[in-house]
Amino acid sequence: GAGVSQSPSNKVTEKGKDVELRCDPISGHTALYWYRQSLGQGLEFLIYFQGNSAPDKSGLPSDRFSAERTGGSVSTLTIQRTQQEDSAVYLCASSPDRAFSNQPQHFGDGTRLSIL
Amino acid sequence: AQKITQTQPGMFVQEKEAVTLDCTYDTSDPSYGLFWYKQPSSGEMIFLIYQGSYDQQNATEGRYSLNFQKARKSANLVISASQLGDSAMYFCAMRVGFHGSSNTGKLIFGQGTTLQVKP
Repeated sequence: GAGVSQSPSNKVTEKGKDVELRCDPISGHTALYWYRQSLGQGLEFLIYFQGNSAPDKSGLPSDRFSAERTGGSVSTLTIQRTQQEDSAVYLCASSPDRAFSNQPQHFGDGTRLSIL
Repeated sequence: AQKITQTQPGMFVQEKEAVTLDCTYDTSDPSYGLFWYKQPSSGEMIFLIYQGSYDQQNATEGRYSLNFQKARKSANLVISASQLGDSAMYFCAMRVGFHGSSNTGKLIFGQGTTLQVKP
């Protein structure tokens, strides 16, 4: 399909392990965002990419969280030494360009991360 | 501080009736945009409607309309002729600071309102 694709859809791992979450945005979208949604809560901004650079990392909760984007397309969010409070749904969104205020962000279906 | 407040954790509406979901926002930036998203139980985020801070008219998209009251800093979503498929969580979100290098386009979300449509 032509939408934002995220993988895996579900991930269960033990506390202390590292996890990688992948996002494949809509083709041609230069802006990419990661959000986190805890159970029954709103979305919390994590990081923003414009092309391959990340000018806004202000939402990353700790230095265990990192993200990269290569080729202006696929992005990977990595969580090292996972903790139980990292359990959440991680959502990726893309939009054509941040400069156009009225363009909505298009979301993937998310990765549901459970830390045992 | 930039903030979105949705004060209704849960709402019920009878099928075919209209319902209003409340959203108030706080920002000192004169340029901002307000979005509503729908999140069914399956989890995907579906964009519904957008209102810009400089738009003179209230936005409408099919059965969705936005009651934008700028002086009161409110952007309530009105769903007309509710359908069973409208049962979902609804999020109000704000994008601020369109100008300058500080513009990231990130969205600030409210806590959401769960809407249940009764047959």
